[in-house]
Amino acid sequence: NAGVTQTPKFRVLKTGQSMTLLCAQDMNHEYMYWYRQDPGMGLRLIHYSVGEGTTAKGEVPDGYNVSRLKKQNFLLGLESAAPSQTSVYFCASSYSTTYNEQFFGPGTRLTVL
Amino acid sequence: GENVEQHPSTLSVQEGDSAVIKCTYSDSASNYFPWYKQELGKRPQLIIDIRSNVGEKKDQRIAVTLNKTAKHFSLHITETQPEDSAVYFCAAASGNTPLVFGKGTRLSVIA
Repeated sequence: NAGVTQTPKFRVLKTGQSMTLLCAQDMNHEYMYWYRQDPGMGLRLIHYSVGEGTTAKGEVPDGYNVSRLKKQNFLLGLESAAPSQTSVYFCASSYSTTYNEQFFGPGTRLTVL
Repeated sequence: GENVEQHPSTLSVQEGDSAVIKCTYSDSASNYFPWYKQELGKRPQLIIDIRSNVGEKKDQRIAVTLNKTAKHFSLHITETQPEDSAVYFCAAASGNTPLVFGKGTRLSVIA
């Protein structure tokens, strides 16, 4: 099993450009999450999904959109990138409820110039 | 919503000593408290968790204690080793809400 994978690993954008980060999991997990990690700020939840076709806002959703068209994939979109979105983005998945362990992907380092 | 405070932000200990990291939470409905470890350049991984019906849980050199009345929980690492050097995150949630993470503690174990 590959677990949780993320594409791409690194990306540099110019302000105003758009991009999509792809997260895939092969563990048949219901729940998926997108976090951003900034120095000294911990892991902050952007959006999450409790099942195929569902999405919900997390703590810092502004400037991001998500889609969960297939159970195994969770996409994070930036429509118009801003320097404040420079961060490391982690995707995670868990079997079902909040009580289950979250398995994280390797992260995507995004720089917006 | 839930707010999780974590202290200290950095911690240095001598190899073999104990390390303690403390977290407080605000939502009395929270009943699940996991701890994640993130080594440099790696992804976070769960190391131990506790639910509110338990006051203490131990797994070899690591233990977590929970005080629901005071709304705080702690991670204890005994006999620290260089491979314990990492950033540790606490988190809190109830069954209906996603995890809220603390800001992390960078632990350095000095050989």
